[in-house]
Amino acid sequence: QQQVKQSPQSLIVQKGGIPIINCAYENTAFDYFPWYQQFPGKGPALLIAIRPDVSEKKEGRFTISFNKSAKQFSLHIMDSQPGDSATYFCAASRDQAGTALIFGKGTTLSVSS
Amino acid sequence: NAGVTQTPKFRVLKTGQSMTLLCAQDMNHEYMYWYRQDPGMGLRLIHYSVGEGTTAKGEVPDGYNVSRLKKQNFLLGLESAAPSQTSVYFCASNGGATYEQYFGPGTRLTVT
Repeated sequence: QQQVKQSPQSLIVQKGGIPIINCAYENTAFDYFPWYQQFPGKGPALLIAIRPDVSEKKEGRFTISFNKSAKQFSLHIMDSQPGDSATYFCAASRDQAGTALIFGKGTTLSVSS
Repeated sequence: NAGVTQTPKFRVLKTGQSMTLLCAQDMNHEYMYWYRQDPGMGLRLIHYSVGEGTTAKGEVPDGYNVSRLKKQNFLLGLESAAPSQTSVYFCASNGGATYEQYFGPGTRLTVT
C-alpha cells in the first residue's frame, strides 16, 4: 500500500517556468510534510517542510501548498533555473521525534535554458 | 563537522557473499535510518534506530540486519547477498528539536 503518491514522475520546463509537483497521502495521522531535493550522485537534502496548521509556506522561490481536507500538498518552484534540475521527493510522517519518513516515488525535474 | 558519512562508496558482491555498510554521524543525533533507493521506487526504509542499542524494522527489512552499538554508528549487514539487493543505500540521522533528516552520500551496491 503506497501511503504517499507523487506525480508526475518526470517534468520538463523552460527556464523561468513554474513546475508544480503534487503529492497525496492516505494516513490522517501524518502531520509533518517535507520536500527533499536530490542531485545526481548525492544524498537527498531537506528543501522545505510544512505542518497542517498552515495552508502555504514559502522559502525563497519554493512554495508548499497544503490542502488538509483533500489530503494533498504540492511544491511550486517560481522562476525555475537550470540549477533546479534534480529529483524531488515529497514525504510524510507523524510530527514526532524519531518517526520514520514515508517517501513518494520522486519527480525528476529538468529545467532547460 | 562531517555530518553523515558512509563507507564504502561503491561495492560489487557476488550472490551469497556478505558485507557490512557503515554509517557514522558526528551530530550527536539520537535517531538513525537506513533506506534503499531504486529507480522509480523512491526511498524505502529498511531499518531504523531510536537510540543506542535499539533497532526496529522498516518497510523492507528482509535480508538485512542492523546494529547500533555506539550512538554515532549504525551498521547495515547483508548476510547472503542477492541480486535483488542491488541498490543505492542511504543512511540518515536526526535528533533533538529538529525533524530534518540528514542524509549521507550513499553506497552503490551491485550484486552479481
